Amino acid sequence: AQTVTQSQPEMSVQEAETVTLSCTYDTSESNYYLFWYKQPPSRQMILVIRQEAYKQQNATENRFSVNFQKAAKSFSLKISDSQLGDTAMYFCAFIGQGGSEKLVFGKGTKLTVNP
Amino acid sequence: DVKVTQSSRYLVKRTGEKVFLECVQDMDHENMFWYRQDPGLGLRLIYFSYDVKMKEKGDIPEGYSVSREKKERFSLILESASTNQTSMYLCASTPARVAGVNEQFFGPGTRLTVL
Repeated sequence: AQTVTQSQPEMSVQEAETVTLSCTYDTSESNYYLFWYKQPPSRQMILVIRQEAYKQQNATENRFSVNFQKAAKSFSLKISDSQLGDTAMYFCAFIGQGGSEKLVFGKGTKLTVNP
Repeated sequence: DVKVTQSSRYLVKRTGEKVFLECVQDMDHENMFWYRQDPGLGLRLIYFSYDVKMKEKGDIPEGYSVSREKKERFSLILESASTNQTSMYLCASTPARVAGVNEQFFGPGTRLTVL
């Protein structure tokens, strides 16, 4: 069974600085998809960024980028120029290529951006 | 924009009551999901549905049932609520796979308290 591990329950960063959130996963599948979701306080969960395992290039979305290391089964999220609005729970998630629609989530990292 | 709505943001029920949580999506998505979110445990899948009247158990189905009579609506039912079902419940939807995997779109959540 696939598992997703986020080893940092809480992190904090100063506004305008860079922070990296860690995620590791375990799977025997060769192709799969990885996601980072953001859940701001009392607000809806939204997708931040996604990565397809067969694509070697790391995904980037504005200030958000990932460091995808397939061999190490690592998928970290880097947030550059942190903003107060980045304060949220961040969840790493995995889904296999093989047909099941089940998304496997990590336990989450609570990120606080301080002014 | 995809919109996933849930019938209540906050709900307080008594032990033993039958509880209905409703979820509606407006983008004709085939797949719908119910998750439970607890601090330190992340999101855990209760049930999902890939078509009208079709359902599959997730990781923690005990004490819950679901109903999907129409494509846009997916209901979670607590047959006899218990205090250990106090939690945040999130609904999500995603279209059927055509090419690759799609992101899941989440509702705002229902915070259920069982007294």
